[in-house]
Amino acid sequence: KQEVTQIPAALSVPEGENLVLNCSFTDSAIYNLQWFRQDPGKGLTSLLLIQSSQREQTSGRLNASLDKSSGRSTLYIAASQPGDSATYLCAVRAGGTSYGKLTFGQGTILTVHP
Amino acid sequence: NAGVTQTPKFQVLKTGQSMTLQCAQDMNHNSMYWYRQDPGMGLRLIYYSASEGTTDKGEVPNGYNVSRLNKREFSLRLESAAPSQTSVYFCASRTQYTNTEAFFGQGTRLTVV
Repeated sequence: KQEVTQIPAALSVPEGENLVLNCSFTDSAIYNLQWFRQDPGKGLTSLLLIQSSQREQTSGRLNASLDKSSGRSTLYIAASQPGDSATYLCAVRAGGTSYGKLTFGQGTILTVHP
Repeated sequence: NAGVTQTPKFQVLKTGQSMTLQCAQDMNHNSMYWYRQDPGMGLRLIYYSASEGTTDKGEVPNGYNVSRLNKREFSLRLESAAPSQTSVYFCASRTQYTNTEAFFGQGTRLTVV
């Protein structure tokens, strides 16, 4: 059974700092990995989708890397801003006939203070 | 472009009452999903529909039923609500192609008293 773990569970940083969020998964047979952002009381917003054949994906100040063989992904946020404060979730999509089911980590709660 | 729309946004039920959570997507996606989110448990898959006319159980299906009404709509029904079903429910959709991203609705916050 696929298990996804995110470390740390919570992170508080001053504005402007670069930071890294970690995600690990137990079964390397994945199609892709998706990073989401969730604001309090809101839905999930997709940030980055990284395919199993890719090593990294970038969008603005965000960079996600994937090391499928070791079962790890990182989300790098450059020059953090208070508006980045949210919960960040990673989810993996299993291979085979899983019809796109995602297995989620429990998230990292990020607080960026001015 | 509305994406994935869930109704209602909030609901309070008494134990034993029934209700249906509605989900609709306007992206012509084949696959749709229902997840629940609980503190300390993350998001867990309840049911999914790979395509119109098919539904399958996910990780935590007990106490729920689903209907894939058409390609756009996928509803989740609680026949006899229990306090353990207090949660935030999310609907998601994606295309049938292998490596595409999933899109989520804004969630339904359900409290069963």
